[in-house]
Amino acid sequence: DGGITQSPKYLFRKEGQNVTLSCEQNLNHDAMYWYRQDPGQGLRLIYYSQIVNDFQKGDIAEGYSVSREKKESFPLTVTSAQKNPTAFYLCASSPRQGVSGYEQYFGPGTRLTVT
Amino acid sequence: GEDVEQSLFLSVREGDSSVINCTYTDSSSTYLYWYKQEPGAGLQLLTYIFSNMDMKQDQRLTVLLNKKDKHLSLRIADTQTGDSAIYFCAERLTGRRALTFGSGTRLQVQP
Repeated sequence: DGGITQSPKYLFRKEGQNVTLSCEQNLNHDAMYWYRQDPGQGLRLIYYSQIVNDFQKGDIAEGYSVSREKKESFPLTVTSAQKNPTAFYLCASSPRQGVSGYEQYFGPGTRLTVT
Repeated sequence: GEDVEQSLFLSVREGDSSVINCTYTDSSSTYLYWYKQEPGAGLQLLTYIFSNMDMKQDQRLTVLLNKKDKHLSLRIADTQTGDSAIYFCAERLTGRRALTFGSGTRLQVQP
């Protein structure tokens, strides 16, 4: 089965702790993305990566960090510097330029609650 | 600048057609997308349209693009209760890989 997996589905942390969200894809996609979704709102881009060992900040990167050591994996760390970390986090991937419409495919999401 | 806007809520009766609207401001959009999100789940890609097209049909879904007015719509024919969800439109701008999303339209289908 090809797809994007995110784990865990629910995550609870105490304030002041860093936490890492997992995202893995076996679609052989080059680009991967992290979005944040707050209740009643659309998606906001945190970070994205077009190739291994390279990534760029999105619109709300402060308090987050990423790595892209393997094509299949793009973990997101929510640091203690992120002021409002409680949210639904979505990972996505998209195929290489020139293949169809650059459409992004999403994982099932991780709901992070920080208290 | 980039801005994608959608109405917040739409209610229809089962069997009727639904039309969800979206406006965007950046004329350099290359592709426009429609996604569906069910409660607690990720986004499911429904369809997309290239900016040089006016219409795309895929089974019960029809996408209409009016580039002059920067208006995109998604028509769902014979709407079913399983179509109840939040629908997001998104645009991809020239030279960017990331998408810009609207806030989503919640579609409620009444039996």
